[in-house]
Amino acid sequence: DAGITQSPRYKITETGRQVTLMCHQTWSHSYMFWYRQDLGHGLRLIYYSAAADITDKGEVPDGYVVSRSKTENFPLTLESATRSQTSVYFCASSEYGLPQETQYFGPGTRLLVL
Amino acid sequence: AQKVTQAQTEISVVEKEDVTLDCVYETRDTTYYLFWYKQPPSGELVFLIRRNSFDEQNEISGRYSWNFQKSTSSFNFTITASQVVDSAVYFCALSEIFGNNQGGKLIFGQGTELSVKP
Repeated sequence: DAGITQSPRYKITETGRQVTLMCHQTWSHSYMFWYRQDLGHGLRLIYYSAAADITDKGEVPDGYVVSRSKTENFPLTLESATRSQTSVYFCASSEYGLPQETQYFGPGTRLLVL
Repeated sequence: AQKVTQAQTEISVVEKEDVTLDCVYETRDTTYYLFWYKQPPSGELVFLIRRNSFDEQNEISGRYSWNFQKSTSSFNFTITASQVVDSAVYFCALSEIFGNNQGGKLIFGQGTELSVKP
């Protein structure tokens, strides 16, 4: 049971390049989330998705694009990476997105933008 | 706006000491949920506990215990007889309804880094 996986686990890129972070879950959960973790801020929601082809912005969406063509995949794209997007990115999922549900997190992707 | 504050940025204890991690939250909702997650040095986020706003009973799980007090808007986490393996960053989080009522999202505190020394 793989659960939720992210790739790559580590990525170094340069300012202005496009980067896509992948997230895959095997539970058929409806809801998926992208968070970024920065020192002093905890985790902040970037985007979320309620189902295939349904996505919406979170707290810090600027500079990011998401898509969800299949239930199990939720890629996050940085269209033109900036140094301020250096962070650790976590994907998460929950079955129905209810506030009482536990969100389960992937292992994270460490992104460094030079 | 909803907010979670973990005022302790770093805590260092010696093994076998008891340690309490503080969490204070703000919310206008009458129904809400509180969570604790552990992030060990390996980096993943591990779910520890969920508590709903209607249940103020304290919970104990082995060496871990949680004290939920609505009167002070706090949800503190105590580790008894700490061990080196407890060294991690601990996050408190509050679940709120999305504006369109489609689901819940987590509001995280800044995290407390706990270091347990042998």
